[in-house]
Amino acid sequence: GAGVSQSPSNKVTEKGKDVELRCDPISGHTALYWYRQRLGQGLEFLIYFQGNSAPDKSGLPSDRFSAERTGESVSTLTIQRTQQEDSAVYLCASSLRLAGVRYFGAGTRLSVL
Amino acid sequence: AQKITQTQPGMFVQEKEAVTLDCTYDTSDQSYGLFWYKQPSSGEMIFLIYQGSYDEQNATEGRYSLNFQKARKSANLVISASQLGDSAMYFCAMREGGGYQKVTFGTGTKLQVIP
Repeated sequence: GAGVSQSPSNKVTEKGKDVELRCDPISGHTALYWYRQRLGQGLEFLIYFQGNSAPDKSGLPSDRFSAERTGESVSTLTIQRTQQEDSAVYLCASSLRLAGVRYFGAGTRLSVL
Repeated sequence: AQKITQTQPGMFVQEKEAVTLDCTYDTSDQSYGLFWYKQPSSGEMIFLIYQGSYDEQNATEGRYSLNFQKARKSANLVISASQLGDSAMYFCAMREGGGYQKVTFGTGTKLQVIP
């Protein structure tokens, strides 16, 4: 597609359930990033991929969070045993290379009840 | 210390007027890049403008210009001739020399354009 696509756009889940968020980057972009934006706050970096490798996972908030990427395409961010504090908009971005300008998707709004 | 500081949580501007959104940054790197993004209510982040630390001229993109003052470590965004569609959150961000994978974002400024 022309831009970064994220699905679902909205997700409501019950506390304790697992959720999977999907990101389709711009075709040809080797780098992919996940961010979290809590209500009224700035972006919080979570993880990045260069190809399908994630060299730095230190930004993930807890071991309930994991992410993977297939080749240089789709990435999924999985949150296990969701908690209310996980409620946020999760944004995905991609760039042609690591130093490049990042283009963002519209985000997934996650609400944990 | 905050890497990126946006001191204006909210701003109002009259339609067709110019507005400046403030951004100051903190880095000890010589090589870095500064970005501005727009986030409308839809949530999508839209890239507006980029300034490299070695660029001698201020970046401009249509109605957007970046007032880069390196000695003061400021990278203010200037929007000329504001339009109603400019109402959104605006984020300043910085990529530092060695950490290509991480870009630090400010907390944003909410701009509202008044007809």
